[in-house]
Formats: sequence, C-alpha cells, structure tokens
Amino acid sequence: LAKTTQPISMDSYEGQEVNITCSHNNIATNDYITWYQQFPSQGPRFIIQGYKTKVTNEVASLFIPADRKSSTLSLPRVSLSDTAVYYCLVGSLNTNAGKSTFGDGTTLTVKP
Amino acid sequence: DTAVSQTPKYLVTQMGNDKSIKCEQNLGHDTMYWYKQDSKKFLKIMFSYNNKELIINETVPNRFSPKSPDKAHLNLHINSLELGDSAVYFCASSQLQGSSTQHFGDGTRLSIL
Repeated sequence: LAKTTQPISMDSYEGQEVNITCSHNNIATNDYITWYQQFPSQGPRFIIQGYKTKVTNEVASLFIPADRKSSTLSLPRVSLSDTAVYYCLVGSLNTNAGKSTFGDGTTLTVKP
Repeated sequence: DTAVSQTPKYLVTQMGNDKSIKCEQNLGHDTMYWYKQDSKKFLKIMFSYNNKELIINETVPNRFSPKSPDKAHLNLHINSLELGDSAVYFCASSQLQGSSTQHFGDGTRLSIL
C-alpha cells in the first residue's frame, strides 16, 4: 500500500491560492491520486482525482509530476468556507487491486 | 436525495451496552465500508463488503459485527461498548471494490459515558 504524507496543518488568508502537497513515494503503477475535503460534522467529499500531469475542475487543480511520487492540490482564491480537512488518498480505481488508505489529512484554516 | 445515509446521527450510551448503526446507499454501488474517525481526525477503515460479502476486516475487536442484508445496506452492531469506542463512524460506498472514489455518509457520533 502506498503510504501518504501530508502537512498536519496550514493557514491562509481569504483570496490567496493554497497549495497542499502530498508525498506518496511508493505509489504503484495502477494507483490514482484522489483528494477529499471534510467539513466539521460531515463525511469526506470527493474533490478531484488524477493519474498524471494536471487535472482541473471547478473546485481545484491537481498537479502530478512525472515521477508521480508527490501531488499538489491547488485551491485558487480560498474563502472562509474552504476551511476544512483535506485528505490525500492513493489507490486503484478498480477491484482486486488492494485497498485505498487515507492519509492523516491537512487541516486548512482560512482567515479573514 | 441523500446518496449515503446513516442513522442515527448521534448516539450517546453507557459502557457495556449494545448498539447498532444503520447505513443505506441509493447509488447502486457494489461495495460498502465502515470507517472509524477518532478525535485526531484519523480515518481508519474497519470493514468492507462487496455484494454482501465481507472483503476487508481490519484488526477490529469481534465486539464489532457488520451485517449486510443486501448490497444497498451495511449495518454495524457493537456489543459491550467501551470508552475507547467513542468516535465518529462513517459509512461509505464505491462502485468497485477497493476503489479510491468513495461516497461518504455524514457520520454517526458515538459517545460512551
């Protein structure tokens, strides 16, 4: 199983871009990188997923270098409502490929 | 329509009691999971069921017994509750077994007095 390492916490201010990096040195060929967002009193919510290079959606961008041993979740122009815990998850999309394990999460605090 | 719903949302009970948490998903997924999240926010998988069959059973005390009557439901029964069982329990589902794309319920906060 690919173990992931993320910063425990990060602080930012409204309007700034936030980049959260996750290390996954033992990522397997079939593994994808998935990021989840969790607000207090809610379950984790899927944000973005990628395999290599760059993926962008309406919420975030995900940058994955060629060696895929790390990935960076980029949140553009954060607001107070982006305060949450962000989890990096490395695992396969399909069956019989083991299980996906959540990392310890990064608590992002956005200040006014 | 809630995709993954679990009940109750809060559960406060005494040590030694037996309690159950229910989970239902309406996404048509084949796989369901139970996770435990402790006070430090660490999410640990407990069980995984695929089409009503137990796939993953992490080192969880046998006081915890999951039951899947059909692939849309995965309930968690806990016997002889202990103080250390206090946590938030999340149910999740995915289309495929072991998938990293999972849909979560909003959790059940279990507090043991």
